Amino acid sequence: DSGVTQTPKHLITATGQRVTLRCSPRSGDLSVYWYQQSLDQGLQFLIQYYNGEERAKGNILERFSAQQFPDLHSELNLSSLELGDSALYFCASSVGGGSDEKLFFGSGTQLSVL
Amino acid sequence: GENVEQHPSTLSVQEGDSAVIKCTYSDSASNYFPWYKQELGKGPQLIIDIRSNVGEKKDQRIAVTLNKTAKHFSLHITETQPEDSAVYFCAASKGSNYQLIWGAGTKLIIKP
Repeated sequence: DSGVTQTPKHLITATGQRVTLRCSPRSGDLSVYWYQQSLDQGLQFLIQYYNGEERAKGNILERFSAQQFPDLHSELNLSSLELGDSALYFCASSVGGGSDEKLFFGSGTQLSVL
Repeated sequence: GENVEQHPSTLSVQEGDSAVIKCTYSDSASNYFPWYKQELGKGPQLIIDIRSNVGEKKDQRIAVTLNKTAKHFSLHITETQPEDSAVYFCAASKGSNYQLIWGAGTKLIIKP
């Protein structure tokens, strides 16, 4: 168990809808990362937050947004969903915000857009 | 920008044999190289990492080697076991203020 909690584990929705994925980092970790992993694909970095502030942005679509709350949990909002958004979404956390730190990944949220 | 190439994409080895996965990075300023293992249905987990001031690092059956001149680093798994079957990702970073750049992953299959 990595200590990172993601909910829900599975999400099935229809095209055009909006969903929210939630992540609780390990106790004491200030940084949260969101990744997308499509079928048989690698890890695509979406966005990073550090202590409530956006720190880095990757290949995140404009239809997607995220935030980190004062209690350090984070939410990833996906709107106007398309079939191609079906993927496994991972949250990871680390103590600080540096890319040379160990990342702890959650078990992911499997999103299916029908 | 920074790019990390990982080979092979799939590797099948007999149980008990060794497995080697290689990654090549493009930015010579990269100084941190982690390896993550992703088992089926789980998130990736760090298994070993190396920094540019070290040429090799071992942890039981796994080792990582770094060749800064050639800009490549490799994961070595000896005496492979069924539980080694997973997808392995390499990554590279230039430092704490830069993003981690990931390889595409290698699916390792251990044949009984």
